[in-house]
Amino acid sequence: TQLLEQSPQFLSIQEGENLTVYCNSSSVFSSLQWYRQEPGEGPVLLVTVVTGGEVKKLKRLTFQFGDARKDSSLHITAAQPGDTGLYLCAEVDYKLSFGAGTTVTVRA
Amino acid sequence: SAVISQKPSRDICQRGTSLTIQCQVDSQVTMMFWYRQQPGQSLTLIATANQGSEATYESGFVIDKFPISRPNLTFSTLTVSNMSPEDSSIYLCSVSGTSGAYEQYFGPGTRLTVT
Repeated sequence: TQLLEQSPQFLSIQEGENLTVYCNSSSVFSSLQWYRQEPGEGPVLLVTVVTGGEVKKLKRLTFQFGDARKDSSLHITAAQPGDTGLYLCAEVDYKLSFGAGTTVTVRA
Repeated sequence: SAVISQKPSRDICQRGTSLTIQCQVDSQVTMMFWYRQQPGQSLTLIATANQGSEATYESGFVIDKFPISRPNLTFSTLTVSNMSPEDSSIYLCSVSGTSGAYEQYFGPGTRLTVT
């Protein structure tokens, strides 16, 4: 199990702006997942990326998996207040190992 | 996807006491997990709850402190024993989908405060 680093730790933006959060490791990921957790709720799976260089889109969210499978990013276009939450990346092995997360606040 | 409920949703407990958290799923699932999320931190896996056998604990977690039951494929309990303020956390259960660990669904969590 490797240590996942997420950056930035906190991000506060105005509605309509774009944002990117990052997940990095010194070792190769087997596969990676992104979750969003809202206050008082459990994390909800957004996407799973498996192949190096993979790009997945989910409405205004774009997920990239680095070619070397050591990093990933989540880009949100035209952020909305409903995007507010804790964004977590997790390596998938026989279990999930989570990064510390990025707390995103989108101000109306 | 599975629908997961947890009881209680939150509790305030005195140090030295124990609290049992329940996790109920609306369908039979193979794998159930218990996580801890300490204030301002990420999720850490406590153990995998195995139906019909003892739970599998991660490094740093022991059965005496966190006994787990899994009597059937839809229900599990986690007990936090002899609590101290350091046990104040959100405790979440999750279940796997048909793809195993690649597909996990989380309950809403139990927010525990130990005074």
